[in-house]
Amino acid sequence: GAVVSQHPSWVICKSGTSVKIECRSLDFQATTMFWYRQFPKQSLMLMATSNEGSKATYEQGVEKDKFLINHASLTLSTLTVTSAHPEDSSFYICSALEGGSSALETQYFGPGTRLLVL
Amino acid sequence: GNSVTQMEGPVTLSEEAFLTINCTYTATGYPSLFWYVQYPGEGLQLLLKATKADDKGSNKGFEATYRKETTSFHLEKGSVQVSDSAVYFCALSALYNFNKFYFGSGTKLNVKP
Repeated sequence: GAVVSQHPSWVICKSGTSVKIECRSLDFQATTMFWYRQFPKQSLMLMATSNEGSKATYEQGVEKDKFLINHASLTLSTLTVTSAHPEDSSFYICSALEGGSSALETQYFGPGTRLLVL
Repeated sequence: GNSVTQMEGPVTLSEEAFLTINCTYTATGYPSLFWYVQYPGEGLQLLLKATKADDKGSNKGFEATYRKETTSFHLEKGSVQVSDSAVYFCALSALYNFNKFYFGSGTKLNVKP
């Protein structure tokens, strides 16, 4: 089946630094990718929808300047947490929608990236 | 608004026991409902889905029925195996934006031999 990878799987950084997380669709093209955030024992919350070649669409309450999303190719989207602070510590999950499909079930999820900001 | 509530875990069962994980939802209109499973170190995988009231989704021995009257989509399996140990997420998709998910908080299932 389709595989989505994320890198790194976990990262620890100092407060004030920026962290980049990559999401790749390994064997299919993804015109649309999604970024989620999950707090311990809580739901996954959609942060933004990333469309290849255009600006990301952010959900209400998500700071665009804080969470920079770039979808430069059909297989790669990146999430950069700028000037990270301890409250940004979380589990970030991406998913990729197979190109040309609008069906919900063809959304494939990455394994997630755990970010810890000290 | 849209939201999903599922039972807290972890749920610990012995092999061959009966499994129920409760899921209820709040939604505008008639959403599609899903169960996703996440095995350790892997991404979420679609387990089953139902797109309208009274539909039953099934896969790998798991079943869930879309109950509009009780706004529920409980996951069941008659005989669990150790390999079913994972985290299970209930989710709905918004009627007007099918790519937008609303997830429950996940329920961890531990199956002991």
